[in-house]
Amino acid sequence: AQSVTQLGSHVSVSEGALVLLRCNYSSSVPPYLFWYVQYPNQGLQLLLKYTSAATLVKGINGFEAEFKKSETSFHLTKPSAHMSDAAEYFCAVSVGGSNYKLTFGKGTLLTVNP
Amino acid sequence: KAGVTQTPRYLIKTRGQQVTLSCSPISGHRSVSWYQQTPGQGLQFLFEYFSETQRNKGNFPGRFSGRQFSNSRSEMNVSTLELGDSALYLCASSSDPGGLNTEAFFGQGTRLTVV
Repeated sequence: AQSVTQLGSHVSVSEGALVLLRCNYSSSVPPYLFWYVQYPNQGLQLLLKYTSAATLVKGINGFEAEFKKSETSFHLTKPSAHMSDAAEYFCAVSVGGSNYKLTFGKGTLLTVNP
Repeated sequence: KAGVTQTPRYLIKTRGQQVTLSCSPISGHRSVSWYQQTPGQGLQFLFEYFSETQRNKGNFPGRFSGRQFSNSRSEMNVSTLELGDSALYLCASSSDPGGLNTEAFFGQGTRLTVV
């Protein structure tokens, strides 16, 4: 069975600083991994996804993530945080590569300080 | 192109009652998945429908059920509501659920409060 662990339920950064949100996965088969963002009172929006094509994945809004099989990690980064990045971020793994049955991590709340 | 629409946005029900939530997927999408989001358990998969058939089900009791209509709209029903059913219920639609080049689009959710 697949699982996802997000390290740090709350991360606080200053505007302009590096954003690093950590995600480790457990999967008995090659995983397909996703990062979603959720703004208050909103649904989830896909930031990026790893589908084995390339280990460094670029997403929307300047975010990117690197798949590291040896570390079973898929950390999300952004070089320079913007106030509008404040939201909750979820890492997810899919069953069998599909995108309709996702197993999510507990989420990381990102706060951006001026 | 309209997004995924969930109705109602907010709902308050009493313990023991039942509730029906609705999800209209993006036009052309045939797969609809449902998730429950709570502070304690996070996001959990409920079930997925494709072409009116339930193809996958999560680990929820039988009080949680759903269906999908021929126009791909989906409903989920929760009977005999418990306080612990209070949650944000999210619906996601996809055009090709088995295809990695497609995306699951989420609605804004229905916030259910059981009192």
